[in-house]
Amino acid sequence: KNEVEQSPQNLTAQEGEFITINCSYSVGISALHWLQQHPGGGIVSLFMLSSGKKKHGRLIATINIQEKHSSLHITASHPRDSAVYICAVRFSNDMRFGAGTRLTVKP
Amino acid sequence: GAVVSQHPSWVICKSGTSVKIECRSLDFQATTMFWYRQFPKQSLMLMATSNEGSKATYEQGVEKDKFLINHASLTLSTLTVTSAHPEDSSFYICSAKDRAADEKLFFGSGTQLSVL
Repeated sequence: KNEVEQSPQNLTAQEGEFITINCSYSVGISALHWLQQHPGGGIVSLFMLSSGKKKHGRLIATINIQEKHSSLHITASHPRDSAVYICAVRFSNDMRFGAGTRLTVKP
Repeated sequence: GAVVSQHPSWVICKSGTSVKIECRSLDFQATTMFWYRQFPKQSLMLMATSNEGSKATYEQGVEKDKFLINHASLTLSTLTVTSAHPEDSSFYICSAKDRAADEKLFFGSGTQLSVL
């Protein structure tokens, strides 16, 4: 069983829709990252969370340490948001990745 | 924001040759760098954790003699794929932890390795 479970695996949305991607992990962590990978392979770290909630533009990330769960929300989605979103959790210096969520936002 | 430069962005080599990939933090000190591999349509897989001035810590199943990691300075880590074979063809990505920025990770742009 993967230590990091992401859902959904694939997500297609219409432009403007509210998007939620979920990440659950099985053991205690020191930090959780949400990463965005574009078709060319480039990766951007969107958020690093250890508690609570962070917001950057149209992106919101939350984490519930007790429930070992994090969500990434995209408000007013846009075709340029189309990418693979990856949840990564850090256990001291180890890191484990979710399988990724492939988001396609249609105009 | 902080920048991590990774070179080369792509490389094609013959089977049996060695390939070196560089990962540099351009405007911050990175005491820890991470190397990942990604096969097509799969998620990232951590290969090793590289700490400046010490030996890298390899993940289970990653051959340390095949994937040589050197992190000799606070701004440079290198991954050398020795005696590369076609099965080593993959997308290799590095990231660096900025100790001055709440340990946020910054990623290189990746290296696509194709071994013929």
